[in-house]
Order: sequence, then structure tokens, then C-alpha cells
Amino acid sequence: SQQGEEDPQALSIQEGENATMNCSYKTSINNLQWYRQNSGRGLVHLILIRSNEREKHSGRLRVTLDTSKKSSSLLITASRAADTASYFCATDGRGGADGLTFGKGTHLIIQP
Amino acid sequence: GAVVSQHPSWVICKSGTSVKIECRSLDFQATTMFWYRQFPKQSLMLMATSNEGSKATYEQGVEKDKFLINHASLTLSTLTVTSAHPEDSSFYICSARLGDVGSRQETQYFGPGTRLLVL
Repeated sequence: SQQGEEDPQALSIQEGENATMNCSYKTSINNLQWYRQNSGRGLVHLILIRSNEREKHSGRLRVTLDTSKKSSSLLITASRAADTASYFCATDGRGGADGLTFGKGTHLIIQP
Repeated sequence: GAVVSQHPSWVICKSGTSVKIECRSLDFQATTMFWYRQFPKQSLMLMATSNEGSKATYEQGVEKDKFLINHASLTLSTLTVTSAHPEDSSFYICSARLGDVGSRQETQYFGPGTRLLVL
């Protein structure tokens, strides 16, 4: 079942602007991961944040996690045309023995 | 970084035939591999969890006799879609995890996916 819910479902911004995507989930988690998927391609791992972490950075990416609200956000700063893709959050809350539960994704379009 | 490959990347087959998809971890040994399915414009849905040397664990609603999983080694898992029908047409993606959740190697690395079209 789909646990994560991303919003917005689609986001179109100008190159250079910041893009923020949100994700909510329902059950307790061990960690939350963000992935990027270009059209028709596999997933690229962006960042993993553990349940005891609140914020994590990687290059132009900033991820926050609020376990009390069961939500996470992904911020991409100084967006580029190459950032155009679908972004998914995924959680592994079921004891770690099972795979990831993915959200529905946010389709991000960066206008040049 | 860890690399996962899938073969083939594209399959077109007639209804009723069986299709085998391979998933390999190229530069690491994966304790666990996972198979997902993604329909157009939708998210990924977990189909099954595969551990080397043991039977796969299937998600609710996934027919184990239709989607046969063999995890022959720590670097190879195969998914066979038996007697494929048009409704099985989808994008199948595998992932591999180096270590256990809670360890420093819990990230799942995904293959490039296999697009299956059943005519």
C-alpha cells in the first residue's frame, strides 16, 4: 500500500529558483529516503535520513524530517534544468525486513 | 557508489510466454534484493522481498506462482513472469541493499528497470 503522500503532485518553476517538495507518511519508520526518477528510467538515490535525525544536507539538497508530524521535505536550491524529474519519498518502517513504501511522487519541471 | 544492473532493459513478448528478468549487484554483495512494479504515471509498488538461499516473501495481492523469484547468489536475483498477459505489461525495477536496516549500509540501490510489453 502507498504510505507516503507527496505534495505537490506537480511543480513547475523557473531555473535558479528553489523547489520544495513535501512528503507525509502514516506509520513509524526507521528511515526515510528520497529518490529521483527521470522519465522511463531507474531510480537514483538522493539522500537517506534516519528517524533520529532532523535535517540533512547533500550539495544543493536539504532534507528535513519531523517524526511528530510524520512528514519530510526535500528542498532543491538553485534549481537547474537537469533537475527536471519525478521525486519520490520512501519509507521502510516495517521492521526493515521488507522493501520500501513509496509515495506517489512529485513531478518537477524546471523551466529554462 | 553501488551499482545494480538489470537485464534485459526492454522485453516485448506474446501473450502466454514466460519472461525472465535478471537483477545483479555489480560491485557489492546484497543481503536482500527487492522487486517493484511501476505502472505508467504511478509510483513504485513492492512486489516481493528476496533473500539469498531462501524463499521470497510476496506482498499481498502478488501471485507467487505467476511471479517466480529465484535468489541464486548474493549478487543475482531473477524474476520470471510466467504465462505473461497484457495486464502484466509494466516497468519492473529491482533494488539491492548491502546491509541491514539500522546499519551504515541500509540504502537501497535501484537497477535501471525492465520495461515489459505483452502483446
